[in-house]
Order: sequence, then C-alpha cells, then structure tokens
Amino acid sequence: QKEVEQDPGPLSVPEGAIVSLNCTYSNSAFQYFMWYRQYSRKGPELLMYTYSSGNKEDGRFTAQVDKSSKYISLFIRDSQPSDSATYLCAMNAPNSGGSNYKLTFGKGTLLTVNP
Amino acid sequence: DVKVTQSSRYLVKRTGEKVFLECVQDMDHENMFWYRQDPGLGLRLIYFSYDVKMKEKGDIPEGYSVSREKKERFSLILESASTNQTSMYLCASSLERGWKGTDTQYFGPGTRLTVL
Repeated sequence: QKEVEQDPGPLSVPEGAIVSLNCTYSNSAFQYFMWYRQYSRKGPELLMYTYSSGNKEDGRFTAQVDKSSKYISLFIRDSQPSDSATYLCAMNAPNSGGSNYKLTFGKGTLLTVNP
Repeated sequence: DVKVTQSSRYLVKRTGEKVFLECVQDMDHENMFWYRQDPGLGLRLIYFSYDVKMKEKGDIPEGYSVSREKKERFSLILESASTNQTSMYLCASSLERGWKGTDTQYFGPGTRLTVL
C-alpha cells in the first residue's frame, strides 16, 4: 500500500461548481497536511496547510483533515477557470532521527474548470 | 518574494554523459531539496540538504549525487545519464532547519531533462 493515495483524475467541472479533491494515507506518524497547486510548466506552490483534524478555510478553499480515517480533502467553492491546475496533497513527519523532515506527496489530481 | 531558480528549463543529453543541474535560492533558506516528477508516479524526493556540505538521501537516490558548497546553491549530478532518468527535475528550498512541520517548501520552475 502506498503511503499516500490520490486519484489522478482528470477532473473536469463547469465554472462555479464545488470541487472536492481527496487523499488517503496509511502512515499514522504524519502530522502536517498540505495542499500544493501546480500550474502547467510551473513548480508547485503551497495553497494551504493544516495540523489537526477539522476544517480550515481560506477564501474559496477549505481543507479538511480526518486523522481517525486517515483522509484529507480540499474543497473549492465557486470554481474558476484560473483554478485549473494539478493539485497535490502532501504530508510530513520527522525522519528517523527526528531532526529533519521530508514531504510525502500524492500523485496529484489534474483539475480543469470550464468557462 | 522567495525566488528559486534552476539553470535550465529544458536539457537534452546523451546516455553516459555527466549532467549537472543547478539550483539557486535567494532567501537564505537552510534546507534545499531535489525531486523528480513523472506521470503516474508523482513527486519523489532524490536528495535534500539541511546545511552547507550536508546531505541526506531521499527515496530514490540511486544514480544521483548532490553538492552544496554554498548555502544558496544546490547541485544535482547525474554521473552517467541513462534514459530512465528522463524526467522533470524540481528544486525546492525551505527556511527552517530541523523539525518544523509547517515549514513551506518553495519550488523552482523545473528542468525538463531528456536523455537520448
């Protein structure tokens, strides 16, 4: 079983739709959960991060974490064509020495919002 | 704004060549990372460095080496390029040394390497 599973899509929605993107994970040591957005031919950029279970809202974006189910989600309200990108979930935990960390990424979901 | 730059956007090399990919960050970040990104496999960590001259292996270090002689610069080296190293290579940096779960990684634009 992969540490982080993410449906690669592609996902195509009309402008204004509510989008739900999801990841599951198997490693209970993950403590922080992030969503990165990657536009075509660009590097990923951090969209949101959360630490605890529950919801975190930032404008049209809501990140949700359910640690008991090992499941995280990103919701996009009133989606816009400018939201068209690949969305990657990422998680981290200390390495074996506890001194540094690495991010484990999902494979990314390609989202297209059609005008 | 943090800026992470990579030496080339596109690179074509032949099998067996030695390849250098350069990454520079301008924000005095402690940590630097090299990833490769492949369709269906996502982002995979090759190496990272948390200090000058320090490095740690990531998930897929085989066939690669790295060098960090100055804080702002992190090089990825393919000693003898092979066709299975054709990929998008992404460099990233982050500010804080040590375990900081909220430390944001800032990515460069990537280098698309093709090995023929």
